Amino acid sequence: GAVVSQHPSWVICKSGTSVKIECRSLDFQATTMFWYRQFPKQSLMLMATSNEGSKATYEQGVEKDKFLINHASLTLSTLTVTSAHPEDSSFYICSARRQGYAFFGQGTRLTVV
Amino acid sequence: KQEVTQIPAALSVPEGENLVLNCSFTDSAIYNLQWFRQDPGKGLTSLLLIQSSQREQTSGRLNASLDKSSGRSTLYIAASQPGDSATYLCAVGGYSGGGADGLTFGKGTHLIIQP
Repeated sequence: GAVVSQHPSWVICKSGTSVKIECRSLDFQATTMFWYRQFPKQSLMLMATSNEGSKATYEQGVEKDKFLINHASLTLSTLTVTSAHPEDSSFYICSARRQGYAFFGQGTRLTVV
Repeated sequence: KQEVTQIPAALSVPEGENLVLNCSFTDSAIYNLQWFRQDPGKGLTSLLLIQSSQREQTSGRLNASLDKSSGRSTLYIAASQPGDSATYLCAVGGYSGGGADGLTFGKGTHLIIQP
């Protein structure tokens, strides 16, 4: 079946630094990928839609200059959390669709100290 | 704005029981509905996908139904096993993008099956 791989699975960084998270579709091409964020005991919230070869579309309330998305190829989207702060600590997870099904990566647990 | 609600928030039952997890959504103009399983600290595993034109889907011991007009879906788990313990998430896909929209998730039902 389709597989979406996300890396890293967890990261700890210092406040003020930037962190890059990669999302790859391993056996299919994805012109669109989605980035979600999940705070403890909350539901997954869509942050942005990543479009191959064009700008990402951000959901209301998500700072595009803070969460940089690059979808440079049909199998790779990256999310960079810039100037991270402790309140950015969360579970970030990406998704890609194939034949209607949404497949998710393993998620990245980000802790900013 | 679409809102998805899952009831109950948590459920603990002895193994062998048949279970029903409920999901409701406020905007019936959906493209599809998908049920996922999430294990602690892990990503999501897709369980069942129901297109808006369908009424139910089955996979093994799992059966999901969809009543789009009333904004409801149920996930039925037969003969529950301890390995079924996880958080079950319901998510709806919007219609505007023809299935290309991101999903709107409920908060999930945290299920514990006691051995």
